[in-house]
Amino acid sequence: AQSVTQLDSQVPVFEEAPVELRCNYSSSVSVYLFWYVQYPNQGLQLLLKYLSGSTLVKGINGFEAEFNKSQTSFHLRKPSVHISDTAEYFCAVSSTSGTYKYIFGTGTRLKVLA
Amino acid sequence: EPEVTQTPSHQVTQMGQEVILRCVPISNHLYFYWYRQILGQKVEFLVSFYNNEISEKSEIFDDQFSVERPDGSNFTLKIRSTKLEDSAMYFCASSGPPGGVGETQYFGPGTRLLVL
Repeated sequence: AQSVTQLDSQVPVFEEAPVELRCNYSSSVSVYLFWYVQYPNQGLQLLLKYLSGSTLVKGINGFEAEFNKSQTSFHLRKPSVHISDTAEYFCAVSSTSGTYKYIFGTGTRLKVLA
Repeated sequence: EPEVTQTPSHQVTQMGQEVILRCVPISNHLYFYWYRQILGQKVEFLVSFYNNEISEKSEIFDDQFSVERPDGSNFTLKIRSTKLEDSAMYFCASSGPPGGVGETQYFGPGTRLLVL
């Protein structure tokens, strides 16, 4: 079984400042890792994913994440945030085999302040 | 770009009524999923569907829930007798084009279900 922990429920940050949203996972099998963003009253949009290979992955809107197997982490970063980045961010994990169901974290609400 | 669509966007129903939520997955995908998100909580897996049968379901997906792929394009979630606690946003997702791997899921915009 897998589980995902997002340590911060809310992260306020000023515009143009850097941000890191933390995600740790637990799994007894190999996993794929994902970050999704949910803007208010909208669905889930894929930001980026780690499947294999380079541990630093780049996604849309200037976001990147680094897979750290020893620390079982997949933290999301952006060097300079914009007001439009205000949203809920979900980390998710799935097994590399089987049904590929996602296990989501509880989400981090990023609020970018002017 | 192909996308997953869901109808209706909002549904209000009375407790005990049956509801059917509809989804049109991306056309060449092979894996289909339903998730739900109770207001203010995390997204939870309900069921996955592959090759015309349920491949995995969660403990939430009890006998009042069923899924069906009635034709080549639609994927439906039926709740037979709704309860107040079924009020949530329901997301459909699909993945796995032929020859590919089913690891990346594409989500629809959701159906917000309110049970009164």
